[in-house]
Amino acid sequence: GAVVSQHPSWVICKSGTSVKIECRSLDFQATTMFWYRQFPKQSLMLMATSNEGSKATYEQGVEKDKFLINHASLTLSTLTVTSAHPEDSSFYICSARDPGQGRTDTQYFGPGTRLTVL
Amino acid sequence: RKEVEQDPGPFNVPEGATVAFNCTYSNSASQSFFWYRQDCRKEPKLLMSVYSSGNEDGRFTAQLNRASQYISLLIRDSKLSDSATYLCVVNVGGGFKTIFGAGTRLFVKA
Repeated sequence: GAVVSQHPSWVICKSGTSVKIECRSLDFQATTMFWYRQFPKQSLMLMATSNEGSKATYEQGVEKDKFLINHASLTLSTLTVTSAHPEDSSFYICSARDPGQGRTDTQYFGPGTRLTVL
Repeated sequence: RKEVEQDPGPFNVPEGATVAFNCTYSNSASQSFFWYRQDCRKEPKLLMSVYSSGNEDGRFTAQLNRASQYISLLIRDSKLSDSATYLCVVNVGGGFKTIFGAGTRLFVKA
């Protein structure tokens, strides 16, 4: 299957700082990527849909000025958590669909980034 | 009511047992269905897609009942390595909005 990478895999930061997370599709081009957040023992919640060359589409309740998404190329999307606070501590996972695979509705996930804000 | 509902479990079964999970979805416009597996502190990995006719992949069988709006996953001959959380995933509409269930935890014990 398609491979999606994320960097960093974990990060610890102080409250008030900004953290950038990268999501890359390694062996395919992804015009659309997705950013999810998962709190312990809860389901993945879609935060936003990242569209290459255009603005991201945010889900209701997700602050676009706090979670900045940039999809500058067909293989890279970044999520920046600005002015992070302890309540932003979570597991952030990106995913992408590979149009070259047989089914275009299957998502391939990155390994996730565990963010801890002190 | 949640859009995708699963029994959170946990299901504790011995090796070799057969275990079944169900998942119900509320949106009749749901178009495609999947089971993902998620290990602790890891990303979800696709286990199998779910087709209307039902499909089998080794020890795993998935079925879809559109009339009753539920999906099932059957695991036969459980292995220790099957211990994980199993996520029911539904894509809704032509834009494929993806909705995840909260997952069902499975523990397989020796």
